[in-house]
Amino acid sequence: DSGVTQTPKHLITATGQRVTLRCSPRSGDLSVYWYQQSLDQGLQFLIQYYNGEERAKGNILERFSAQQFPDLHSELNLSSLELGDSALYFCASSAHVNEKLFFGSGTQLSVL
Amino acid sequence: GQQLNQSPQSMFIQEGEDVSMNCTSSSIFNTWLWYKQDPGEGPVLLIALYKAGELTSNGRLTAQFGITRKDSFLNISASIPSDVGIYFCAGQIESGNTPLVFGKGTRLSVIA
Repeated sequence: DSGVTQTPKHLITATGQRVTLRCSPRSGDLSVYWYQQSLDQGLQFLIQYYNGEERAKGNILERFSAQQFPDLHSELNLSSLELGDSALYFCASSAHVNEKLFFGSGTQLSVL
Repeated sequence: GQQLNQSPQSMFIQEGEDVSMNCTSSSIFNTWLWYKQDPGEGPVLLIALYKAGELTSNGRLTAQFGITRKDSFLNISASIPSDVGIYFCAGQIESGNTPLVFGKGTRLSVIA
């Protein structure tokens, strides 16, 4: 168990809908990262937060947004969902910026 | 963005054989990490490397930080069925202010 908790584990929704994925980092970790993993693809970095502030942005679509709350948990919001958004979404945390990342078990999103 | 070239893409080996995989980059890295991902799970950190030339072991796994700082390899000795999974390398470029970059993974299959 990495100590990073992601909910829900599975999410099935329809095109055009909006969903929210939630992540609780390891106790004491200040930095949270979101990654997308599509079938047979590597891990695509989406966005990083550190102590509540956005730190770095990767290949994140404009339809996607995220935030980190004062209690350090994070949410990834995906809107106007398309079939191609179906993927595993991972949250990871680290104590500080860009140190060893510890990953959650992911949220499997299926857009039908 | 930064690219990590990880090879091979996939491997099929007999139980008991040794395995070697590597990652290369055109940029200088100051950190190399190796992760393993089991089906349906998040990547789990195996080994972290922080210095050029560093050789670190974790049980049957050994990883090295290349002296050019542009590559790293992971060896698995005497493979067993539970070694099956996807192995990812990840690195941080020298500046330290950018998120980890991940390779596309090496999918390992072990034939008993």
